Amino acid sequence: AQKITQTQPGMFVQEKEAVTLDCTYDTSDPSYGLFWYKQPSSGEMIFLIYQGSYDQQNATEGRYSLNFQKARKSANLVISASQLGDSAMYFCAMRNSGYALNFGKGTSLLVTP
Amino acid sequence: EAGVTQFPSHSVIEKGQTVTLRCDPISGHDNLYWYRRVMGKEIKFLLHFVKESKQDESGMPNNRFLAERTGGTYSTLKVQPAELEDSGVYFCASSQTVGGISYEQYFGPGTRLTVT
Repeated sequence: AQKITQTQPGMFVQEKEAVTLDCTYDTSDPSYGLFWYKQPSSGEMIFLIYQGSYDQQNATEGRYSLNFQKARKSANLVISASQLGDSAMYFCAMRNSGYALNFGKGTSLLVTP
Repeated sequence: EAGVTQFPSHSVIEKGQTVTLRCDPISGHDNLYWYRRVMGKEIKFLLHFVKESKQDESGMPNNRFLAERTGGTYSTLKVQPAELEDSGVYFCASSQTVGGISYEQYFGPGTRLTVT
């Protein structure tokens, strides 16, 4: 069975600092994709970043980067230079051979001034 | 380009009643998905349409849930009769497939369903 684990229910970070949100996964499939989504208080789910299991380099999208450590089965999200608008729930998700996403429970991030 | 839209944003119904949720995917996206998050739990996959066909409905909890996507455009998810445990947020997502590769799923704002 595929499983996503996010061990941090809540995180605090000061504005302009970097923060790492943890995500570990478990799968026996050699081909999979890892995603991070942001859910602000308004409720919509916003796609942030994607990492394929065969990608050699860590994915980056602006201030977001994914620290992909395949052997450790971890896909941590790094947000650099945090902004107040980054306060939200963050979900890690994995897709295997099918199309369905398996989500973790999420991490609530609060950025303080 | 308009994103995924869902209607209604909130719905409060009594146990035993029927509710129909609607999702309009991004134009041109063949893939449409339904997910659900009940309080305190993970977001769970319900089903996946490719155009008008159900590709995977392994996540549908029981036969009180019926999803349709007539014409391969918008989709509806009907719950009949609703039970208390059906309360949660129902998300719809869509994605495109190009050259056999499915791209990221774009989510709608969700419908918050409360069954009393």
